[in-house]
Amino acid sequence: GAVVSQHPSWVICKSGTSVKIECRSLDFQATTMFWYRQFPKQSLMLMATSNEGSKATYEQGVEKDKFLINHASLTLSTLTVTSAHPEDSSFYICSARDLLRANIIEAFFGQGTRLTVV
Amino acid sequence: AQSVAQPEDQVNVAEGNPLTVKCTYSVSGNPYLFWYVQYPNRGLQFLLKYITGDNLVKGSYGFEAEFNKSQTSFHLKKPSALVSDSALYFCAVRVPGPRQLTFGSGTQLTVLP
Repeated sequence: GAVVSQHPSWVICKSGTSVKIECRSLDFQATTMFWYRQFPKQSLMLMATSNEGSKATYEQGVEKDKFLINHASLTLSTLTVTSAHPEDSSFYICSARDLLRANIIEAFFGQGTRLTVV
Repeated sequence: AQSVAQPEDQVNVAEGNPLTVKCTYSVSGNPYLFWYVQYPNRGLQFLLKYITGDNLVKGSYGFEAEFNKSQTSFHLKKPSALVSDSALYFCAVRVPGPRQLTFGSGTQLTVLP
């Protein structure tokens, strides 16, 4: 299957600083990537859809100025948590689909990033 | 709108026994259905999918799932559970096209030695 690499796996930052999380599709081109947030023992909440070369589409209730998404190439999307606060502490996961191969319909997920804001 | 329900937050089963993790869905049109597994502090791993055709689909690690259109269900099964199967399992659905997945709430499977 296709591989999606997410970096870093975990990060601890001070309140008020910004953190960037990278999501890369290693062996396919991903015109669209998805960013999720997951709270302990809960399901994935879609935050935004990242589109290569255009603005991301944010889900209702997600602050676009706080969670900056950049999808500058067909293999890389980044999520920047700006002015992080302890309530932003969470597990962030990205996913992507290989839209060029019609027989592969499943999405592939990064390893996730555990963000802790202190 | 599309939705997925996983009615059980927790499933416990003894090692060697068969396991079932339940999933029902609601979608307009023909669904694509998926099962993913998540280990602690990791992303989701794809297990299996249903697109069309045979209602029984086989996936990774000996898992299989049965699509039942009349009951709008897609239960995950394994004939003989392993302790290493203990993890969080998510059912997901979407319709054909470049759309995002909708996930169920997840079921924590614990296989007891």
